[in-house]
Amino acid sequence: TQLLEQSPQFLSIQEGENLTVYCNSSSVFSSLQWYRQEPGEGPVLLVTVVTGGEVKKLKRLTFQFGDARKDSSLHITAAQPGDTGLYLCAGAGNNDMRFGAGTRLTVKP
Amino acid sequence: EAQVTQNPRYLITVTGKKLTVTCSQNMNHEYMSWYRQDPGLGLRQIYYSMNVEVTDKGDVPEGYKVSRKEKRNFPLILESPSPNQTSLYFCASLSTGTGGWNQPQHFGDGTRLSIL
Repeated sequence: TQLLEQSPQFLSIQEGENLTVYCNSSSVFSSLQWYRQEPGEGPVLLVTVVTGGEVKKLKRLTFQFGDARKDSSLHITAAQPGDTGLYLCAGAGNNDMRFGAGTRLTVKP
Repeated sequence: EAQVTQNPRYLITVTGKKLTVTCSQNMNHEYMSWYRQDPGLGLRQIYYSMNVEVTDKGDVPEGYKVSRKEKRNFPLILESPSPNQTSLYFCASLSTGTGGWNQPQHFGDGTRLSIL
């Protein structure tokens, strides 16, 4: 059983569409991170959210941390083919970080 | 350039033949970790190390060993590999100083192991 459940598992959309992916858990995390991974590479950090209810924007990407610090969402506006990749959320515990299984996003031109 | 370097990138081997995957980081990070990535399961932690000579089991440690004799190196050892250890492996490091877990983990580019 995944500690962090990500949905959807796969998402294929056309360029210009908006999308939201979710990261849910029954556990409370001190912080939550979103990573993006491209084929043949390791994950790369996009953002860290720390405070319940926090919203962070990174160009066309908007990240939100749930009020109870158990869940998070990533919204992409006007998706582009360059956004294609595996998006992973990770929650920080005491001495470790747990990852979700990821959402594999494909943006078609 | 700050980086985490894993070797080899690809390895095909046979059941029972001992192998070591090396991991080295040049950022003086205290924390290092090994993950395996399998379809639908995401990144699962194998072992981690908070500092030199300190290692702990992650979620899936069976069949693996690690050591942390120097701060920069954290090798992953498969004493007797089996086919269920076929996977994509990632090493990562993190500075546990100011900001702690709010800092990014830096990942290597991965090692794809196939155990026949």
